[in-house]
Amino acid sequence: GAGVSQSPRYKVAKRGQDVALRCDPISGHVSLFWYQQALGQGPEFLTYFQNEAQLDKSGLPSDRFFAERPEGSVSTLKIQRTQQEDSAVYLCASSRLAANTGELFFGEGSRLTVL
Amino acid sequence: KNQVEQSPQSLIILEGKNCTLQCNYTVSPFSNLRWYKQDTGRGPVSLTIMTFSENTKSNGRYTATLDADTKQSSLHITASQLSDSASYICVVERGGGNKLTFGTGTQLKVEL
Repeated sequence: GAGVSQSPRYKVAKRGQDVALRCDPISGHVSLFWYQQALGQGPEFLTYFQNEAQLDKSGLPSDRFFAERPEGSVSTLKIQRTQQEDSAVYLCASSRLAANTGELFFGEGSRLTVL
Repeated sequence: KNQVEQSPQSLIILEGKNCTLQCNYTVSPFSNLRWYKQDTGRGPVSLTIMTFSENTKSNGRYTATLDADTKQSSLHITASQLSDSASYICVVERGGGNKLTFGTGTQLKVEL
C-alpha cells in the first residue's frame, strides 16, 4: 500500500477483554516496529520485527502483550485481559531497511481506551 | 540512562514568526538524530535525519542543527504557518542497536 495502515483507528474495551490491533506496513518493508504512546508523551518502544522474526520484544510491558508477523508483512499486536493502564495510542512503523537506520514511516495509530 | 529532553514543553507563536525548538540527549553511542512532526491524532512524520558528521539539514522551512559534542540539537521553523501547529518530537537512535529514544515533544501552536 501507499502508507502504513492500522486498524481499528479507535477501540473501546471493557477491562478484562482481549483486543487485537492490526498493522499493514508499506509493501516490501523489512522492519516493523510497535510503539505505545501515552497522552502527551513520546512513543515508547514495544517490539521489533525483521521480516517474520521478532528480534526484540524487550519493550512489551507484560506477558499480556503479544505480537506476531507470521508472513513477514501484516502484524498483529494482541493485548489480553486489558487493564486501564493499557489505554494509549499504539503506533506501528515500518522501514525499508533492516533495523532503524533507514527512514521510519508511521501509521495513524490505534487509540485504545479501556474502561 | 539514555534520555532525550526537549524544550520548551509548549509554545504559542503568531503566524509568520520564526521559532526554535531545543533537544538535549544523553543517548550513547550515538547513531543519528531525527525530528518528527506529529499532528493531533496522526502518526509522526519525518522531517530530518542527521548523522554524527552532519551539523545542519534543511527541509523547506524547517532547519535542524546538531552539535554532537554538546549533544544538542535544534529545530528552527521559519515564517510559521497555521499548519505548523503540531507536536515536534526529537528522536535519537543508539548506535549498534535498533532502539529509538523519543523525546516527549514540543507542542507548537501557531495563531493568527
